[in-house]
Amino acid sequence: GQQLNQSPQSMFIQEGEDVSMNCTSSSIFNTWLWYKQDPGEGPVLLIALYKAGELTSNGRLTAQFGTTRKDSFLNISASIPSDVGIYFCAGQSDYGGATNKLIFGTGTLLAVQP
Amino acid sequence: GAVVSQHPSRVICKSGTSVKIECRSLDFQATTMFWYRQFPKKSLMLMATSNEGSKATYEQGVEKDKFLINHASLTLSTLTVTSAHPEDSSFYICSARVARDYGYTFGSGTRLTVV
Repeated sequence: GQQLNQSPQSMFIQEGEDVSMNCTSSSIFNTWLWYKQDPGEGPVLLIALYKAGELTSNGRLTAQFGTTRKDSFLNISASIPSDVGIYFCAGQSDYGGATNKLIFGTGTLLAVQP
Repeated sequence: GAVVSQHPSRVICKSGTSVKIECRSLDFQATTMFWYRQFPKKSLMLMATSNEGSKATYEQGVEKDKFLINHASLTLSTLTVTSAHPEDSSFYICSARVARDYGYTFGSGTRLTVV
């Protein structure tokens, strides 16, 4: 199936450091979403982006919808141990309607050392 | 907020048997639900889109007769893995979306182990 390219694949950082990850696609998306998944759980939505160029924050998290609509990035500032998990981007390409499906990125594993 | 309940969270079954996984939207009606499969340390791969009152739409490469999807009501979709084999062992996750709402809420997943 189709997937988005997400980088880096993994990150091992010290508590307090900032984190940046990005997602790129060869095709245009109208919506970009960022999720966090803990082991054995389903993904939890962190940030949703609906307009090209949009910059949205959720606490220490900031995400941007690229102007070309083919990329997005997520920043986490001042990381803490509970930020550990796998982060996925997801894109939705169809416009409108109720049956649009999400395409997921390959994921970024984040490990935070206290 | 919207809550999606998935059951069971874990199931172990013998080869050749069938397993049913339920996905329920608890506080909203979901005209569309999605079923994903996730292998260890891999991303979520969409298997099918479940539409209330009509046939599911399967992604390329997903066997319709093996992964039966039923979406008989606005709050329940089921995925039945028929004649399960060890290679069907995986983490299955459902997602629900309210019509005209762009939020996607995920269930907590079902760990299927076929022995």
